[in-house]
Amino acid sequence: DTAVSQTPKYLVTQMGNDKSIKCEQNLGHDTMYWYKQDSKKFLKIMFSYNNKELIINETVPNRFSPKSPDKAHLNLHINSLELGDSAVYFCASSPAGTAGNTIYFGEGSWLTVV
Amino acid sequence: AQKITQTQPGMFVQEKEAVTLDCTYDTSDQSYGLFWYKQPSSGEMIFLIYQGSYDEQNATEGRYSLNFQKARKSANLVISASQLGDSAMYFCALHNRLAFGKGNQVVVIP
Repeated sequence: DTAVSQTPKYLVTQMGNDKSIKCEQNLGHDTMYWYKQDSKKFLKIMFSYNNKELIINETVPNRFSPKSPDKAHLNLHINSLELGDSAVYFCASSPAGTAGNTIYFGEGSWLTVV
Repeated sequence: AQKITQTQPGMFVQEKEAVTLDCTYDTSDQSYGLFWYKQPSSGEMIFLIYQGSYDEQNATEGRYSLNFQKARKSANLVISASQLGDSAMYFCALHNRLAFGKGNQVVVIP
C-alpha cells in the first residue's frame, strides 16, 4: 500500500563504487523528484521528472544520473561514490506540476559512503 | 532567488501548550503554494498543511493552522495542544520552486 517506495532503505558502500536507488510510486502521479538531505537536515531538490522527461536538474555532479523508464519509476544511479555523497535521499511524487499539489515522499534511503 | 527562511533554534514545548514555528519566504511568483512537512526521528516526511497564495482564509488541518501574512511573506505554523508525538523537525516549503527551509526542531516535554 506504500504510495512512494524506495529501495534500499539503508546502503553502506565504499568510495569509488557505483550504486543505484530505486523509486516507484503507485499514485498515478505525473511528476517525480529526487531530494538530498544532508547531515544538517537541509533538503535540496536534485532532479524532477514529468512524464519521464527531465524538467529540473539542479547543480548536481554528473556522477548522478536519474533514469525514468516510465512515469511510475524514477531511479537514481550514482557513479564513483564520494564521502560527501553520504546523505539521505528522498524520492517523491506529485500530480502534474507543483503549485498547489502536495508532494508525497518516500521513506528515504540512508546512504553512507566509507 | 526564491528561498525559504526558518531561523528559530530548537524549541522545547510543554505538552498541551501551543507552539508557533516561523517561516518567511521570498518569491517573485504571483501564484504559489506553501507547505509544512513534519519529519520525526524515524525520517519520513509527512505532509501537514497547505496554503495557496490566493486563499483568502488561513489554512487549518486539525491541530495545525497556518498564520499566513502575504504582505509580510510569512507562513507560520501553529500547533495547538502539543502532544509528545509532535516532537520532530518541521519544514516549510515553497513548492513553486521546490525550495525547503532548513527546518525547526521541536521537542515536546511532558
